[in-house]
Order: sequence, then C-alpha cells, then structure tokens
Amino acid sequence: AQKITQTQPGMFVQEKEAVTLDCTYDTSDQSYGLFWYKQPSSGEMIFLIYQGSYDEQNATEGRYSLNFQKARKSANLVISASQLGDSAMYFCAMREGNTGNQFYFGTGTSLTVIP
Amino acid sequence: DTGVSQNPRHKITKRGQNVTFRCDPISEHNRLYWYRQTLGQGPEFLTYFQNEAQLEKSRLLSDRFSAERPKGSFSTLEIQRTEQGDSAMYLCASRGRQFTDTQYFGPGTRLTVL
Repeated sequence: AQKITQTQPGMFVQEKEAVTLDCTYDTSDQSYGLFWYKQPSSGEMIFLIYQGSYDEQNATEGRYSLNFQKARKSANLVISASQLGDSAMYFCAMREGNTGNQFYFGTGTSLTVIP
Repeated sequence: DTGVSQNPRHKITKRGQNVTFRCDPISEHNRLYWYRQTLGQGPEFLTYFQNEAQLEKSRLLSDRFSAERPKGSFSTLEIQRTEQGDSAMYLCASRGRQFTDTQYFGPGTRLTVL
C-alpha cells in the first residue's frame, strides 16, 4: 500500500484565490510527522510546513496552512491568496518509525496559478 | 548557513561509465539522506547516514551504487557501470539532531545516461 497518496495530478487556481491540495497517509505508528514541500521547475525541494502527529493545532506558516484530520489520515495543504510564483509541484511526505529516519513522498500535485 | 549544496548540478555520461556526485550538508546537521527522483514521481529514498555511519539502505540501491560519508560531513554517491535507467535527479537532504527536525534539500544533480 502507498504510504502517501496525492490524488490530484494537476490543479489550477486563479491568482489571489485559495487552493487546497489533498494528501492522505497510511501508517500504524502513533508518532509520525507530515510535511509539505514545493518543487519549482528549477528542481530544488523547498520545505513549506510541518505537522506532528501529536500536535493538536493545525500548522500554519504564512500563506500556508495544513488541515490535519487525524481520524481520516489526511493532511491537506491550503494555500491562501495564490500568487503566480506558487506555480510548482507540491509533494506531501511522512516521517514514521521509531527512529524517524525514513521519509515517504507522494507523487505530487502540479499547481498552476492563472493570472 | 549556506544550505545544502550538491555538485555537479548536471551530469551527462555514456552507458557503462562511472559517475560520482557530492553533497555538502548544512554544517550542524548530523543526518544525511540520498534520494532519487524520476520524472513525474516523488523522491524515493536511497540511503541514510547518521554522522559517518550508513544506517539504512533501500532495496533500490543496487550493488552498482555506493555511498560514503567519510568524516561525517560531506557525502558522495557513486554509480558504477551506469545504465540508461539510472537517468534521474539525485537529491541530497540533511537534517538536524532532533526527532522532529525536518529535512532540507539541496538543488539536486540531474544525471543523463546516453
């Protein structure tokens, strides 16, 4: 079974609108971490936001927020007030395990912001 | 803090040749990861170092692949007898000592095997 599932291969959003990128995960561990990364066409993976499995509040970082629904095993990324520079691939990732050394990535969602 | 750096950024080689990539992590990070990313996919874990010790290796890492981190600082990834299927982006990431620390990635090395 896939550890991380991103079901939206491509998404479009109008500039200044909000967009939600979906991510579901699969783990039997109680302690894990969820991450979102942005990968522009240049190729570098840029860390956006982190949510720990024991965190009670949803994580927020500027225009990024993570909608964490533990019972549903979902960790959706919400980008508010989209900008043209947000056009990129977005990857959801999970860290699990006692040592937390393995990270699993989804297949990504390509976001295009339309002017 | 200059971030994670990788060299070279691009490498074109002929099938059967050996190639070596270098990764310099963030200086205070003791953990280092190598990933491979092919077109349309997310990064796939290859191997992990804590200081100089290689603690985990993926089944993706065939015997043609070898990684080292001799002094617990920079790391090298060597691919021997390259095959066309090795063409991919090779990403390095480093991570601090805390369990909750995230990974920070370098810009990657894009390998093309002709």
